[in-house]
Amino acid sequence: DIQMTQSPTSLSASVGDRVTIACRASQSISNYLNWYQQKPGKAPKLLIFAASTLQTGVPSRFSGSGSGTDFTLTISNLQPEDFATYYCQQSYGTPITFGQGTRLEIK
Amino acid sequence: QVQLVQSGAEGKKPGASVKVSCKASGYSFSGYYMHWVRQAPGQGLEWMGIINSGSGSTIYAQKFQGRVTMTRDTSTSTVYMELSSLRSEDTATYYCARAGQQWLVVEYWGQGTLVTVSS
Repeated sequence: DIQMTQSPTSLSASVGDRVTIACRASQSISNYLNWYQQKPGKAPKLLIFAASTLQTGVPSRFSGSGSGTDFTLTISNLQPEDFATYYCQQSYGTPITFGQGTRLEIK
Repeated sequence: QVQLVQSGAEGKKPGASVKVSCKASGYSFSGYYMHWVRQAPGQGLEWMGIINSGSGSTIYAQKFQGRVTMTRDTSTSTVYMELSSLRSEDTATYYCARAGQQWLVVEYWGQGTLVTVSS
């Protein structure tokens, strides 16, 4: 199975900040990498697929980059509604696997 | 719009089985795969498997092989996930989630069904 490792596991930031979350795959997955946002008590929401393609309706302050084994999610100009947990997921093959999550908290 | 409506919360005893349903609407049901993902309290996301809503073919995560069965009913646009031999570690919220154009991208999620396993 492909292991996905996110860093950091938690992060404190302020409204208006720019933050970056990293995700590393245990083997090359080309650009088969997706990012999800989950708020407490809610289902996850797809933000970015294919490493850098923004899902319809997702604000442009979210961006993704990377290929191979190393990927990043960047959120610019943090808004109050962005404080949540973020997961990366590889869609290179089954079983699909998720990172352990990064909790973004308000400083 | 795409909607996935899951059945309600369940309480089960160890050793029992649970069957969760997921009714889809707003798209061509048979044209998309459906995933099942679970999340234990305070934990991350764990993929259980996927069903081709058209053909009914399935792929299960090895961890759940022999204990999970995913089925679908095209007449009602509903998919089902049954998990047997429940243990306390199976206490989790179970999500059905529709794939996108790429079958392993999880595009739309149901609201989740909490399954609690306790004696």
